[in-house]
Amino acid sequence: DTAVSQTPKYLVTQMGNDKSIKCEQNLGHDTMYWYKQDSKKFLKIMFSYNNKELIINETVPNRFSPKSPDKAHLNLHINSLELGDSAVYFCASSPGRVGALEQFFGPGTRLTVL
Amino acid sequence: KQEVTQIPAALSVPEGENLVLNCSFTDSAIYNLQWFRQDPGKGLTSLLLIQSSQREQTSGRLNASLDKSSGRSTLYIAASQPGDSATYLCAVEEDDKLIFGTGTRLQVFP
Repeated sequence: DTAVSQTPKYLVTQMGNDKSIKCEQNLGHDTMYWYKQDSKKFLKIMFSYNNKELIINETVPNRFSPKSPDKAHLNLHINSLELGDSAVYFCASSPGRVGALEQFFGPGTRLTVL
Repeated sequence: KQEVTQIPAALSVPEGENLVLNCSFTDSAIYNLQWFRQDPGKGLTSLLLIQSSQREQTSGRLNASLDKSSGRSTLYIAASQPGDSATYLCAVEEDDKLIFGTGTRLQVFP
């Protein structure tokens, strides 16, 4: 009974390719997020969606396009992959927006761009 | 701009010791502070959430305190065990997002 799940767990691809990462939560939460953890293990917010509506876009290149078909899913599509996109991408969810709302994280997707 | 710093960056201790991990943040206008642990190659597990109006939270051998005015939080781990070995991350919530600290890598040896 995984709470926040991501697929795939590992993704190895060539520069210039387009790839997608999927995220699903079964917690009934309204808000979902994408975070990026770089090679120095620093975690940073990329996007936040609330009830399928984009709330935060943290100056991420427009090669990254999140899509939320419903509030239980938040997918991340990346066009024209670059070497610097190599990182671990984490999906997370919380009951709602703003204040005292615990965030729950998925297991991560390790993306390697060659 | 909010900055979150954790010290020490790494810590190696024998089993049984009581530990204190530190987290500091530059802007006190936060909604809450959350402590996570991350095991190698794994996701984040939430340990404790302290709301901005609270001073501390406890869960088992873990106790986290929050002093908003001074921009500090501490995570106290009592009677450490090898299974506590992981990276510990603190994060503050502001404006609909979590801002993470740099992490403390903890190793507890038998």
